Amino acid sequence: GQQLNQSPQSMFIQEGEDVSMNCTSSSIFNTWLWYKQDPGEGPVLLIALYKAGELTSNGRLTAQFGITRKDSFLNISASIPSDVGIYFCAGQGSPGAGSYQLTFGKGTKLSVIP
Amino acid sequence: DAGVTQSPTHLIKTRGQQVTLRCSPKSGHDTVSWYQQALGQGPQFIFQYYEEEERQRGNFPDRFSGHQFPNYSSELNVNALLLGDSALYLCASSLGGGKVHNEQFFGPGTRLTVL
Repeated sequence: GQQLNQSPQSMFIQEGEDVSMNCTSSSIFNTWLWYKQDPGEGPVLLIALYKAGELTSNGRLTAQFGITRKDSFLNISASIPSDVGIYFCAGQGSPGAGSYQLTFGKGTKLSVIP
Repeated sequence: DAGVTQSPTHLIKTRGQQVTLRCSPKSGHDTVSWYQQALGQGPQFIFQYYEEEERQRGNFPDRFSGHQFPNYSSELNVNALLLGDSALYLCASSLGGGKVHNEQFFGPGTRLTVL
């Protein structure tokens, strides 16, 4: 099945550093979402973006919906140990046009060194 | 407020057997989607149920089937299990009636191992 291009695949950073990851697609999406998944758990929704160009924050997390509607990025500022996990981007087409599925990237595995 | 719940947590089956996984959506949600997540991969969409009908299906064979009950809970059935069906199966719930946005919230998953 289709998966989005998410990079980097993995990151090792020092506690307190900022983190940036991005996601690109060959298809246009109406919604971009960012999830975090801990081992043995399901993905947890972090941020949802609904409009091209939109910039949204959730605490230390900031995400943007690309102008072309084919990309999105997520920034984490001042990382802490509990930020460790796998971050997934997901795109959704138009529910009004019958597109309800989420298409995911392969994930970015974040490791934080105390 | 109960989130999405799934059962069982873990399951071990042998090739050729059949399996049923269960999901209860988040309180207030009426739509259930199922995803398969292989090790090291992102989740792959299997299908979505709304108003007790399958309204969108991903690229999965007919061995994968589902059902939604009047209380919005759902089952995923997989027949004639293959080794490649080993994965984490995730259920996600959302509000399905809208035409614009339907944020999906995930359960903890069922880990299926096929031997």
